[in-house]
Amino acid sequence: EDKVVQSPLSLVVHEGDTVTLNCSYEVTNFRSLLWYKQEKKAPTFLFMLTSSGIEKKSGRLSSILDKKELSSILNITATQTGDSAIYLCAVPQGGSEKLVFGKGTKLTVNP
Amino acid sequence: DADVTQTPRNRITKTGKRIMLECSQTKGHDRMYWYRQDPGLGLRLIYYSFDVKDINKGEISDGYSVSRQAQAKFSLSLESAIPNQTALYFCATSGAGGIYEQFFGPGTRLTVL
Repeated sequence: EDKVVQSPLSLVVHEGDTVTLNCSYEVTNFRSLLWYKQEKKAPTFLFMLTSSGIEKKSGRLSSILDKKELSSILNITATQTGDSAIYLCAVPQGGSEKLVFGKGTKLTVNP
Repeated sequence: DADVTQTPRNRITKTGKRIMLECSQTKGHDRMYWYRQDPGLGLRLIYYSFDVKDINKGEISDGYSVSRQAQAKFSLSLESAIPNQTALYFCATSGAGGIYEQFFGPGTRLTVL
């Protein structure tokens, strides 16, 4: 059964801290791994990773995939209160367009 | 205007009532999905449709049914709502041909008393 495990499940930090969120996966016919940010309602897309070792970056957020370790990390540097959200990791199931989601990491950034 | 819309945005109903949640999209996508989200459980797939004539069960389809009325419309029904169907429901869409990014609607918060 395909599955995605995220850790930690929740994290509380202070503004300015750097955080690392983890995602590990077990899936047949791996194609890609996706990260989403969910603030108040709908998840919004952050990154899609397909190749090991190639960092994707957007401002203070970056992510990298390690296919050997079947995992990915999402880094956020110089955190701000606006980074408070649930971060979701997902992989396509069996190579189809259906996504299997992890339970998410709830990040709280305090001023 | 939002690309993926859901109605209603909030609904409170009673046990045993029939409820329909509707989803419309203007992205021209073939693939549409219904998820529910419960605290601490992430997003779980209820049903999905890869085109108008294709409907498939997801991991938690019991107690739900769907209808794909057109490429742009995908409805989720609870035939006889029960309290453990209280959750946040999301519709999502994606393109075809190995395009994995899904675009989500704003969600419907459903409470079953």
